[in-house]
Amino acid sequence: GDSVTQMEGPVTLSEEAFLTINCTYTATGYPSLFWYVQYPGEGLQLLLKATKADDKGSNKGFEATYRKETTSFHLEKGSVQVSDSAVYFCALRATGQNFVFGPGTRLSVLP
Amino acid sequence: KAGVTQTPRYLIKTRGQQVTLSCSPISGHRSVSWYQQTPGQGLQFLFEYFSETQRNKGNFPGRFSGRQFSNSRSEMNVSTLELGDSALYLCASSLLGQPSTDTQYFGPGTRLTVL
Repeated sequence: GDSVTQMEGPVTLSEEAFLTINCTYTATGYPSLFWYVQYPGEGLQLLLKATKADDKGSNKGFEATYRKETTSFHLEKGSVQVSDSAVYFCALRATGQNFVFGPGTRLSVLP
Repeated sequence: KAGVTQTPRYLIKTRGQQVTLSCSPISGHRSVSWYQQTPGQGLQFLFEYFSETQRNKGNFPGRFSGRQFSNSRSEMNVSTLELGDSALYLCASSLLGQPSTDTQYFGPGTRLTVL
C-alpha cells in the first residue's frame, strides 16, 4: 500500500539556520503531496501542497518540490525562527484513496 | 469564519464503556474525515463522510463507527473501549474532499483516555 517515510527527529536548530526535513513516498499512481504542521496543543494545519510532478509548494518561507523521479517531497526553509518549533507531517493522498501520513518530525528552534 | 470544532476536548472513560465524539465542520464544508493520533502509530485515517455517506474507511475494527448528519456535522462512536484506544482523535473538514483542489482543515482534537 501507499506509505510515507520521513526523518523522525527530533531536529534541533539555532534560529536563522537552514532547515531540511526529508520525505519520501511509495504510491501507485500520482498522488497529491502535502506538508502539515502541528503546534503544541493544536490540530494540524496545512503548510503547503503540490499536486503534480515538478510542482513547488510554498508558504511562510517553507518550500517543497514534488520530485517524481526520486519520489520525494523534502521540506526546506532558509532561516528558521523560534516560532517554527512544531511537529511537521508529510502526507500523500491519491485520488479516491485515504490520506497517508508520515510519522512526523519534531523541530525545536533555539534562540 | 469559525473553524472546525470538536467536543468534548477531553474525555476519560474506563475499559468496556462506549464513547461518542462530535465534530462540526466549517460552514459549507461537506466532507468530514476522522483520524486517530497516537505516539506509537502516528496519524491513522479512520473514515471519511461526504453528504451523509461514508466514502472511505481505514483499517480499524468494527467497534469504530461514524455518521454524518444532513447539516454535515459528524459523530464517531467507539464501543467496548480498550486501553489502546487512548489517543487524540482529530476531525478534518473540506469543501468536497478533493485533495488536489480542496484544503483540509483540522479541528483541535478530542483527547480520549481509557483507564
